[in-house]
Amino acid sequence: AQTVTQSQPEMSVQEAETVTLSCTYDTSENNYYLFWYKQPPSRQMILVIRQEAYKQQNATENRFSVNFQKAAKSFSLKISDSQLGDTAMYFCAFITILLGSNYKLTFGKGTLLTVNP
Amino acid sequence: ETGVTQSPTHLIKTRGQQVTLRCSSQSGHNTVSWYQQALGQGPQFIFQYYREEENGRGNFPPRFSGLQFPNYSSELNVNALELDDSALYLCASSFGLANYEQYFGPGTRLTVT
Repeated sequence: AQTVTQSQPEMSVQEAETVTLSCTYDTSENNYYLFWYKQPPSRQMILVIRQEAYKQQNATENRFSVNFQKAAKSFSLKISDSQLGDTAMYFCAFITILLGSNYKLTFGKGTLLTVNP
Repeated sequence: ETGVTQSPTHLIKTRGQQVTLRCSSQSGHNTVSWYQQALGQGPQFIFQYYREEENGRGNFPPRFSGLQFPNYSSELNVNALELDDSALYLCASSFGLANYEQYFGPGTRLTVT
């Protein structure tokens, strides 16, 4: 079975500080993509960052970066210089790449991040 | 470029009734996936449509069905509603099967009483 585990249901951080959200996953496949999605209180799910499993270099998007440890099946998200607008539910997810298959996202249960002023 | 839109925003139904939710994919996208997000949970895959045909299904009973139209918009139909069907229903679109980035709509909040 393919699963995603986010062990931190809630986290909080002070504005301008750095926070790391944890994610582990389990799949028997070797070819997949990993994602972090953000879901603000307004509900619309927004892609924050993605990582191809075949790439060793960690992905970075402005203040967001990941620490991808393939052997450990770990995919954490680091948010630097936290801003009030970063307050949201964050979901870790992955897609396995199987020819002829559907490309469904498997999500974790999410981490609610609150940025305090 | 128009993003993914869903209608209605909110819906209240009675157990046993039927409901239809609608999704318009982002311009140029021909693949639509539907997810159910129960309160406090991550989204769960229901099914996916690619060029008007179902292309995979999650662990949901047959009373969950869908359609995709020639303009790539999509419907999710749920028959014989149960209390546990209360959830946020998300639609996501992408271009082709090999594009792994899915763009989500704002969702439809369904409450079954």
